Amino acid sequence: NAGVTQTPKFQVLKTGQSMTLQCAQDMNHNSMYWYRQDPGMGLRLIYYSASEGTTDKGEVPNGYNVSRLNKREFSLRLESAAPSQTSVYFCASSEGRYYEQYFGPGTRLTVT
Amino acid sequence: QQQVKQSPQSLIVQKGGISIINCAYENTAFDYFPWYQQFPGKGPALLIAIRPDVSEKKEGRFTISFNKSAKQFSLHIMDSQPGDSATYFCAAPEEYIFGTGTRLKVLA
Repeated sequence: NAGVTQTPKFQVLKTGQSMTLQCAQDMNHNSMYWYRQDPGMGLRLIYYSASEGTTDKGEVPNGYNVSRLNKREFSLRLESAAPSQTSVYFCASSEGRYYEQYFGPGTRLTVT
Repeated sequence: QQQVKQSPQSLIVQKGGISIINCAYENTAFDYFPWYQQFPGKGPALLIAIRPDVSEKKEGRFTISFNKSAKQFSLHIMDSQPGDSATYFCAAPEEYIFGTGTRLKVLA
């Protein structure tokens, strides 16, 4: 089992460029999440999906869109990247014990 | 929005010492109080969690204690080891909120 996988691991974008961060889990979990982690800010929820076909905004959704492609995959899209979106992005999934989220290794994104 | 306030921001402990990290929450009822551990370059992973009807839970060298009247729960790492050096987060899982993290360094 790979758990939660994320691609790419690193990315550098110029302001205004777009990109999609990919996330997949092989644990058959219903719920999936996208967080961003910034120094001194902890983890902040961007979007989550409680089940296939549903998505909801989290604390910091502006500038992002998500797609729950199927039960395994949950992607995060930046339509027009801004320097304020420079961060480390984590995807996570959970099932049953909702407080136990399984995190991917993260994508380090720099927007110049 | 619910907040969890974590302290201290950073902590340096000698090998074999006790590390204590605190998390204070606002007035709401949660079903679980978890602590996550994150090593550099990795995603967070659940370390230990406690239900509010239990005052203490121990797993190996890691103990969570819960003080409902003080609205606080704490992580104690006994006999701290250099391998425990990581960032620790408390969380309010029902609202997908994490604390700001405590960076622990255990000196050999």
